[in-house]
Amino acid sequence: KQEVTQIPAALSVPEGENLVLNCSFTDSAIYNLQWFRQDPGKGLTSLLLIQSSQREQTSGRLNASLDKSSGRSTLYIAASQPGDSATYLCAVRLEFGNEKLTFGTGTRLTIIP
Amino acid sequence: DGGITQSPKYLFRKEGQNVTLSCEQNLNHDAMYWYRQDPGQGLRLIYYSQIVNDFQKGDIAEGYSVSREKKESFPLTVTSAQKNPTAFYLCASRRRASGGNQPQHFGDGTRLSIL
Repeated sequence: KQEVTQIPAALSVPEGENLVLNCSFTDSAIYNLQWFRQDPGKGLTSLLLIQSSQREQTSGRLNASLDKSSGRSTLYIAASQPGDSATYLCAVRLEFGNEKLTFGTGTRLTIIP
Repeated sequence: DGGITQSPKYLFRKEGQNVTLSCEQNLNHDAMYWYRQDPGQGLRLIYYSQIVNDFQKGDIAEGYSVSREKKESFPLTVTSAQKNPTAFYLCASRRRASGGNQPQHFGDGTRLSIL
């Protein structure tokens, strides 16, 4: 059974710093991995999706990497801003045709002005 | 604007009552999903539908029912058989193009509480 872990559960950093969020998964045979952002009381916003054949994806100040063999993904946020404060979740999809995503419990990020 | 609309934002259920959560999307997505989110836990899949008039159980389908009569609509009914319904419910949709790497998009959720 696929399990997804995100450590730490909470992280606070000063504004302007670069930071890395971690996601690990137990079954390396994934189809893709997706990073989401969730603001309090809101739904999830898709940030980046990495296909199993890719090593990284970039969008603006965000860069997500994937190392399937070690069961790890990281989300790098450059030059953090107070507006980046949110909970960040990762989710893996096991195989083509399997619609299920397995989610981690998230990292709550606070950027200190 | 294209998106996913969930209503109501807050819902209260009395003992023994069934309640229905609405989810509508105008993204022309084929697949739709219902998740439940509890504090300290990851999202858990309740039901999903890949095409109209077809749906499959997720990991925690007991006490819930769905229908998919139209492509844009996927309502979720929380029945009286669901003994612990208090949670944040999220609806999502996805375009099922060839290749399978389209992301899921989410609505803003419905928070259900017991009276």
